[in-house]
Amino acid sequence: GAGVSQSPSNKVTEKGKDVELRCDPISGHTALYWYRQSLGQGLEFLIYFQGNSAPDKSGLPSDRFSAERTGGSVSTLTIQRTQQEDSAVYLCASSLPKLAGGPPETQYFGPGTRLLVL
Amino acid sequence: DAKTTQPTSMDCAEGRAANLPCNHSTISGNEYVYWYRQIHSQGPQYIIHGLKNNETNEMASLIITEDRKSSTLILPHATLRDTAVYYCIVSLDRGSTLGRLYFGRGTQLTVWP
Repeated sequence: GAGVSQSPSNKVTEKGKDVELRCDPISGHTALYWYRQSLGQGLEFLIYFQGNSAPDKSGLPSDRFSAERTGGSVSTLTIQRTQQEDSAVYLCASSLPKLAGGPPETQYFGPGTRLLVL
Repeated sequence: DAKTTQPTSMDCAEGRAANLPCNHSTISGNEYVYWYRQIHSQGPQYIIHGLKNNETNEMASLIITEDRKSSTLILPHATLRDTAVYYCIVSLDRGSTLGRLYFGRGTQLTVWP
């Protein structure tokens, strides 16, 4: 594919609603990452998928956040019962698999989804 | 835990070299130094990475000190399009297959005409 795509580009929701954010990684990239970037802040790691391995969920801020990756390609990040502090840009990245002992592969980022919780 | 320290902001005149410093005094022997940048309203973009030796590609040069406790990203001829936040990242690689990166606050580079 041309690059990592994310949808929607922007999402405005009311507090308490659930939202789903979608990420289409680059074809052939088995690693997929979700990050969150609050206004004026750096990127905060959320979750990492690598092939068929169990995902690394250590960055998810609460149990309201979950993500899945179907068929090893498209990923969906779900936020349940959204709160105002969830407002941020949610970025997805993909990469080739990292080999043990080698450097992390270059991550290619999508344009992000800007989430605003009112 | 970003493990790196960068200045909050820097300015550079167009056409001049931009030298962005980064301190990573606790870096371990098998950790790499990565640089990404983020232009306003876009996702981060990979620039360059290195382990011990200096590296150069079509975008930039990376100079790593001999003790590896600091590095400098050099944009040889900065343009207005290089205005962005530049992130210096130390990969938390300890022989695992974990490819996550820790982004700090970065340096806001502003290139002025």
